[in-house]
Amino acid sequence: DTEVTQTPKHLVMGMTNKKSLKCEQHMGHRAMYWYKQKAKKPPELMFVYSYEKLSINESVPSRFSPECPNSSLLNLHLHALQPEDSALYLCASSQERDRSSPLHFGNGTRLTVT
Amino acid sequence: GNSVTQMEGPVTLSEEAFLTINCTYTATGYPSLFWYVQYPGEGLQLLLKATKADDKGSNKGFEATYRKETTSFHLEKGSVQVSDSAVYFCALHRNSGNTPLVFGKGTRLSVIA
Repeated sequence: DTEVTQTPKHLVMGMTNKKSLKCEQHMGHRAMYWYKQKAKKPPELMFVYSYEKLSINESVPSRFSPECPNSSLLNLHLHALQPEDSALYLCASSQERDRSSPLHFGNGTRLTVT
Repeated sequence: GNSVTQMEGPVTLSEEAFLTINCTYTATGYPSLFWYVQYPGEGLQLLLKATKADDKGSNKGFEATYRKETTSFHLEKGSVQVSDSAVYFCALHRNSGNTPLVFGKGTRLSVIA
């Protein structure tokens, strides 16, 4: 069982919809991440939060809006997405952003944009 | 810049065969190195790690040794099982700066009975 929980597991949305992806961890980790993974590709970093503050935005389009309400929760708000945004969205957390701290990943939300 | 190069897949092996997945890296300083595994329909799981030269990471029969002289971190297992079928990602983490993990492209392993 993964210690990072993501909901929902699957999401189908139209291009005019607004939806949110949720991620939760209770390991006391202070760094949390959103990744996007297309089929047969490695994960691509989208956002990093450190101590609940956004520290990295990898030039992600504004139709993706992250939020970190507290140290255990991470949301990704979606609005006006495009079909090419269909992918597996992975949340991860780590103790710190130091080099030896591994990332713990959730099982992801598989998003389909129609 | 920092990068990771993995051998191209897919790799198909018979059960109990020996596995090697090559991984080389380019990085400034002394990065930490990781192998992650992704089983079908799941997220990534840490398989093993090494944080300094000559360290050997091991887990579930898999091993990898941090070789600074050859900038490599090859994954090996002496006898694979069908349940090892997955995608394996080599990754590095720089020792400073804001950028977290840098992933290789992944190697898909299929083990047949």
